[in-house]
Amino acid sequence: KAGVTQTPRYLIKTRGQQVTLSCSPISGHRSVSWYQQTPGQGLQFLFEYFSETQRNKGNFPGRFSGRQFSNSRSEMNVSTLELGDSALYLCASSTGQGSSPLHFGNGTRLTVT
Amino acid sequence: QKEVEQDPGPLSVPEGAIVSLNCTYSNSAFQYFMWYRQYSRKGPELLMYTYSSGNKEDGRFTAQVDKSSKYISLFIRDSQPSDSATYLCAMSANTNAGKSTFGDGTTLTVKP
Repeated sequence: KAGVTQTPRYLIKTRGQQVTLSCSPISGHRSVSWYQQTPGQGLQFLFEYFSETQRNKGNFPGRFSGRQFSNSRSEMNVSTLELGDSALYLCASSTGQGSSPLHFGNGTRLTVT
Repeated sequence: QKEVEQDPGPLSVPEGAIVSLNCTYSNSAFQYFMWYRQYSRKGPELLMYTYSSGNKEDGRFTAQVDKSSKYISLFIRDSQPSDSATYLCAMSANTNAGKSTFGDGTTLTVKP
């Protein structure tokens, strides 16, 4: 089974721009979660989508948004980028029901200059 | 105060040693516990998960949960240089772990 795939692996953007990150979950997984990882804050939960609906949301500003498509693929968008948004953005998928731990992709490294 | 506190390390041990990695938590709603290993420039890799107090064993790895003390541990037996990585504990209030809270990680180095 193919794992979680995230594209692109690396991105460099300028402050004020917006960015879209993509995630393809493991086949059969209906839940996709997004996390931000930084050296200072560790792994922080952004949001979770299950069957195209946002099921949980973390404490991030509204500049961070996401969506999930009918094939379970997900995108995350960050608008009006700030220097502090530089981080590794990780996508994780799970079945979303019963006992379902997270399986992570290798992330998208976003650098904001 | 963070909901999940993880022993910060770093930890350096000789090959073959038994390693103990630990996390404490304050949120009594947490009922699902996971351990991940993360190599440099990679995403976290799931090692073990459990939702009951007690021990769960998988090869060289043993996960231990003590809900009464709000304390979880991961033991690695016969540690290998390939075990050198950052280890993350994670917890969720639901067995659907989409929204999980992570520890800050412990960096382990196993020296040949």
